[in-house]
Amino acid sequence: EIQLMQSGGALVQPGGSLRLSCAASGLIVSSSYMTWVRQAPGKGLEWVSLLYSEGNTKYADSVKGRFIISRDTSSNTLYLEMSSLRAEDTAVYYCARESVYGGWAAGATDWGQGTVVTVSS
Amino acid sequence: DIVMTQSPDSLAVSLGERATINCKSSQSLFYTSDKKNYLVWYQQKPGQPPKLLISWASIRESGVPDRFIGSGSGTDFTLTITSLQAEDVAVYYCEQYFSLPYTFGQGTNLEI
Repeated sequence: EIQLMQSGGALVQPGGSLRLSCAASGLIVSSSYMTWVRQAPGKGLEWVSLLYSEGNTKYADSVKGRFIISRDTSSNTLYLEMSSLRAEDTAVYYCARESVYGGWAAGATDWGQGTVVTVSS
Repeated sequence: DIVMTQSPDSLAVSLGERATINCKSSQSLFYTSDKKNYLVWYQQKPGQPPKLLISWASIRESGVPDRFIGSGSGTDFTLTITSLQAEDVAVYYCEQYFSLPYTFGQGTNLEI
């Protein structure tokens, strides 16, 4: 059974930093395409970042230069390092594993439970 | 960026009746080399993460009831629930995977 266990969400002040974790079981993070998606309170879904199995990374323009997606092979964990946080980053953050087709992500099949990030003074 | 627009924003359907949700993209999601539409549908129930229902615009994921039908090509797509069940109450999202950044529709809130 695939499980993605998330942690790290917190209340943080504007301009602060936070690291989200997504510990995987039943899949190998380093062999998978892993993504972060967020959902602001009462709003829809927003794609944030993608980490390819090859190690390449992609980011939404709204977080580029402030967020870093990474993984740790030994712990089979995905991370999202967030810095220079803004009020508009307030959201539930989900990690997910993407299905893969021909080197392209093609739909998030397995999701974490989500972790809440609140940016407020 | 590709803009995804769903309609309606909210929909109320009686049990056993048909529900239809539309999704329109600002550019074609059909990739001619493999003849696939890079469009998926998710279902999200309150307090839960999204669940992938349909890939490639029309392919149901394993375990998804056959009352969920995805159709369409190019820029216009539809998710049809042929006979609404109580457990289908949720918000439904389309998402395009044709090009980065991946983008979602704004969601359609389906109620009984």
